[in-house]
Amino acid sequence: KQEVTQIPAALSVPEGENLVLNCSFTDSAIYNLQWFRQDPGKGLTSLLLIQSSQREQTSGRLNASLDKSSGRSTLYIAASQPGDSATYLCAVEETSGSRLTFGEGTQLTVNP
Amino acid sequence: DTEVTQTPKHLVMGMTNKKSLKCEQHMGHRAMYWYKQKAKKPPELMFVYSYEKLSINESVPSRFSPECPNSSLLNLHLHALQPEDSALYLCASSQPGQSYEQYFGPGTRLTVT
Repeated sequence: KQEVTQIPAALSVPEGENLVLNCSFTDSAIYNLQWFRQDPGKGLTSLLLIQSSQREQTSGRLNASLDKSSGRSTLYIAASQPGDSATYLCAVEETSGSRLTFGEGTQLTVNP
Repeated sequence: DTEVTQTPKHLVMGMTNKKSLKCEQHMGHRAMYWYKQKAKKPPELMFVYSYEKLSINESVPSRFSPECPNSSLLNLHLHALQPEDSALYLCASSQPGQSYEQYFGPGTRLTVT
């Protein structure tokens, strides 16, 4: 059974800092990996999707990498802003159109 | 348009009530999902519909009954729920067969009294 772990569980940083969120998964036979953001009481916003054949994806200040063989992904946030404060969730999909298995999330607080 | 809509936003129901949650997307996606999320926990998959057919049921109690009347709509019928079923219910959609994101709706906050 796939298990997804995210470290750290919580992170508090001053504004402007670059930071890295980590995600690991136990079964490397994944179809893709997706990073989401969730604000309190809200739905999930998709940030980046990395297909299993890709190594990284970038969107604005966000960069996500994938090392399938080692079962790891990182989300890099450059020049963090208070508006980045949210819970960040990593999820893997094992086959197309199937379940996403989520990590427990990293709660990020960016202090002004 | 990358929007998944869910109604209602909030729902309070008694244990003897029958209610339904509704989800709609107009992205042409043919896979739709129901997830349940408890406070400070990640979403947990309940059901997957692929091409309007139920493809995954994660051993969800029968008091939750999904329905996919067409490719744009997904319903979750609720009956005789328990207080522990109180949670945020999230709907998502994607296009099967291609590596596209799952897009999530804003959720319905359900409280069972």
